[in-house]
Amino acid sequence: SYELTQPPSVSVSPGQTARITCSGDALPKKYAYWYQQKSGQAPVLVIYEDSKRPSGIPERFSGSSSGTMATLTISGAQVEDEADYYCYSTDSSGWVFGGGTKLTVL
Amino acid sequence: QLQLQESGPGLVKPSETLSLTCTVSGGSISSSSYYWGWIRQPPGKGLEWIGSIYYSGSTYYNPSLKSRVTISVDTSKNQFSLKLSSVTAADTAVYYCARHTLLFGVPAAPDYWGQGTLVTVSS
Repeated sequence: SYELTQPPSVSVSPGQTARITCSGDALPKKYAYWYQQKSGQAPVLVIYEDSKRPSGIPERFSGSSSGTMATLTISGAQVEDEADYYCYSTDSSGWVFGGGTKLTVL
Repeated sequence: QLQLQESGPGLVKPSETLSLTCTVSGGSISSSSYYWGWIRQPPGKGLEWIGSIYYSGSTYYNPSLKSRVTISVDTSKNQFSLKLSSVTAADTAVYYCARHTLLFGVPAAPDYWGQGTLVTVSS
């Protein structure tokens, strides 16, 4: 079955740039999506179709994709960005989430 | 403002069928622009897509769950439902319903989510 691989954790200081990667064999042909999930809450879509930002999502969130890797970048991370982040994509047999990355900002 | 609300039993016995309903308000489930789906998250673990349905009844299921899952839609009530049969403790999770955007005619990313409901499988 298809898998998306993320690092378990990323840690940055406030104001630094956080980069979270997502690796998958089908990413050269399929879009990646990114979700933010804070403790006890439903996930929130922060990036869709590799690099587009939904309305209401701060400009410091951006996405890119190259080859088999998609990247979520948070420029100038803030304490309130501390959360779990999940990538999401498909290989045409179904949709899968990455294992999630815990972002610590302190 | 679109809202989705899950409802159903919070406790299900092993080998029985888990049944949940999602009620959509603030928008029509019969919109041609969206699919509607279910995602789950075991306590302390990651997210898993279960499946998605169009208002016409067209469905997509996670291959790993397909043999046990049925998703249906009731447009008259603006609801869709999940049935998961032969449950075990491994099916204990928070179950979310969500609206999926469309991409080239198939479901893409969930953009609106319900708050989630915890279902525990235990005797």
